[in-house]
Amino acid sequence: GAGVSQSPSNKVTEKGKDVELRCDPISGHTALYWYRQRLGQGLEFLIYFQGNSAPDKSGLPSDRFSAERTGESVSTLTIQRTQQEDSAVYLCASSRYRLGGETQYFGPGTRLLVL
Amino acid sequence: RKEVEQDPGPFNVPEGATVAFNCTYSNSASQSFFWYRQDCRKEPKLLMSVYSSGNEDGRFTAQLNRASQYISLLIRDSKLSDSATYLCVAKVHDSWGKFQFGAGTQVVVTP
Repeated sequence: GAGVSQSPSNKVTEKGKDVELRCDPISGHTALYWYRQRLGQGLEFLIYFQGNSAPDKSGLPSDRFSAERTGESVSTLTIQRTQQEDSAVYLCASSRYRLGGETQYFGPGTRLLVL
Repeated sequence: RKEVEQDPGPFNVPEGATVAFNCTYSNSASQSFFWYRQDCRKEPKLLMSVYSSGNEDGRFTAQLNRASQYISLLIRDSKLSDSATYLCVAKVHDSWGKFQFGAGTQVVVTP
């Protein structure tokens, strides 16, 4: 079946502009996660959704970052007034809880470059 | 202290050889464990889940040691295509929430 999709695949923006990144999870997956990965670094947790609610926003780096999810499906990560340090790959993952546990599947990511 | 720690490597492995590496986790409540592989400039892909009894998938074997709070991954008969970064992941079972990712162990298989 279809995997997690993200758009755009690449985004170049100027410092100070707002950007929106989109994630379409696997159909039926109730949990959705956003991560950031800077070049050569590990995954940095940003936020996760259970349904349309975000019980854990602890990873959002600043109030410039926000995310929402609607219809227990698509999610949008918004970065306002982008800074150069926001340049990274933003990865989305979705999962479904099954007996025995929960496994995440990742989308291909959005590569963001802030000039 | 990071919740999941890994030796960053790189582990340089001749083709056909065996390589093994560990990852340690600090949260004793963790019950679900996974290994992902990540190729350069690609997303992480699930390699295998790690079961309490240990499990094997072809040339890959994962083991869990709860007493010492580590999991291991062993790759036999290494192929050039095994070159990647291997990410260790721990999660508290029966709980929605964060997956704790290690920073990854880089494996380079050489001809």
